[in-house]
Amino acid sequence: KAGVTQTPRYLIKTRGQQVTLSCSPISGHRSVSWYQQTPGQGLQFLFEYFSETQRNKGNFPGRFSGRQFSNSRSEMNVSTLELGDSALYLCASSLLQSPGELFFGEGSRLTVL
Amino acid sequence: QQQVKQSPQSLIVQKGGISIINCAYENTAFDYFPWYQQFPGKGPALLIAIRPDVSEKKEGRFTISFNKSAKQFSLHIMDSQPGDSATYFCAAQGGTGRRALTFGSGTRLQVQP
Repeated sequence: KAGVTQTPRYLIKTRGQQVTLSCSPISGHRSVSWYQQTPGQGLQFLFEYFSETQRNKGNFPGRFSGRQFSNSRSEMNVSTLELGDSALYLCASSLLQSPGELFFGEGSRLTVL
Repeated sequence: QQQVKQSPQSLIVQKGGISIINCAYENTAFDYFPWYQQFPGKGPALLIAIRPDVSEKKEGRFTISFNKSAKQFSLHIMDSQPGDSATYFCAAQGGTGRRALTFGSGTRLQVQP
C-alpha cells in the first residue's frame, strides 16, 4: 500500500509570494491533517480535513488555508509569505476512527527568502 | 493546558544500554498517548501508543510507562542500537473535539556503537 505522498518536496519562495502544497493520503484514509515543523516551535497542528470539510484548526493566521477534494487528496496554501513561514510542512492521513494514529508523508520543505 | 513537556532534549546512550525519554502533560482530557520516531529527511512514524487505562505497554524493545496520577509517561528503549538513533516525539490527544495531536518538543537520541 502506498504511503502518504507530498509534493513538492522542496521549494524556495520570496516574501509576499504564495505557495500551494499537495498531499495524497493512504488509500482508504479519509482524514488528512497538516502540521508545521520548525526547530524552534517543533510540530504544530495546522488543520484537519475529512469529508471535504475543515474539522479542526490550529492557532495559525488566516494566511494558512487548505482544502480537501472528493478523493481525499488535500492541498494547503500559504499566502503573503513571511520569513517565519520557512518550515517543513507535513501532511498526515488517518482513519476517521483513529485520529491519533497518523501516517506522515516526508514533508515539503519551504524556504522563504 | 495543552502543552506536553518532553525531556531530555538530547540523549547519548551506548549500544546495548537503556534509553529513557520522559513526558508530562496537564490536560486530564487527553486519553491517547503515542510516541513517534523521526529519522532525518523523513516524516514522523508511529512507534507505540498507550491509553490511560493501562500503566505499561511493551512492543519488542520499546516500552511505554504511564503514571496517570502524576500525569507523566515515558518511553524506554531496551538494548538500544545505533539504528535507533533518531528524534523521538511524545504526543497526546483527546478531549471534546480534540482530534489533533499535541506534540512534545522532541528528543534527539544518539546510540554510540
